Amino acid sequence: SSELTQDPAVSVVLGQTVRITCQGDSLRDYYASWYQQKPGQAPVLVMSGYSNRPSGSPDRFSGSRSGNTASLTITGAQAEDEADYYCKSRDTSGDHLAWVFGGGTKVTVL
Amino acid sequence: EVQLVESGGGLVQPGGSLRLSCAASGFTFRTSEMTWVRQAPGKGLEWISYISSSGGATSYRDSVKGRFTILRENDKNSLDLQMDSLRAEDTAVYYCARVISWDHFDVWGTGTTVIVSS
Repeated sequence: SSELTQDPAVSVVLGQTVRITCQGDSLRDYYASWYQQKPGQAPVLVMSGYSNRPSGSPDRFSGSRSGNTASLTITGAQAEDEADYYCKSRDTSGDHLAWVFGGGTKVTVL
Repeated sequence: EVQLVESGGGLVQPGGSLRLSCAASGFTFRTSEMTWVRQAPGKGLEWISYISSSGGATSYRDSVKGRFTILRENDKNSLDLQMDSLRAEDTAVYYCARVISWDHFDVWGTGTTVIVSS
């Protein structure tokens, strides 16, 4: 199956900017979507497409893509942004519709 | 309010079966594609199955193919996951979610926990 690679953990000082990256061959053909998950809660979509924020997702979140790498940037990180973040994209390894998640990045706000 | 609520989780012995349900409300379920995602304890998210709006097309990850069946009843706004031949590695929180444009999952349920253990 396709793979998406994320850094396991990153930290950011309150109010500063952090970029979370996701690498994988499928990202050359398909956009990543990004999900925020706080402890004990269900995932929440925070970004899709090139940089489409769903309603309710703060405008400090933005997305981008270059080659085989997708990024989620939090500009002016807040304490409530501390969470696990997962990228997801299409799994292009087979002949059926499927998706693959990255391993997740734990974001700590200092 | 757009909402998905899973039910049916529990403790089951290896080799046993369980049927999960997902009740949808607040949106037009019959025109929505749906999916199941799971999360093992302390692990990341794992996509497991998809179903088209009509139910005519389905797909599964390899590790559950032949053991899990995704179904839907549009008249009841309900999505199910029939899980047979369960294994310890199927232990996880199971989430249902709505699929948009074969791209992103925009609404998620709160999850139901499945524990496979003797």
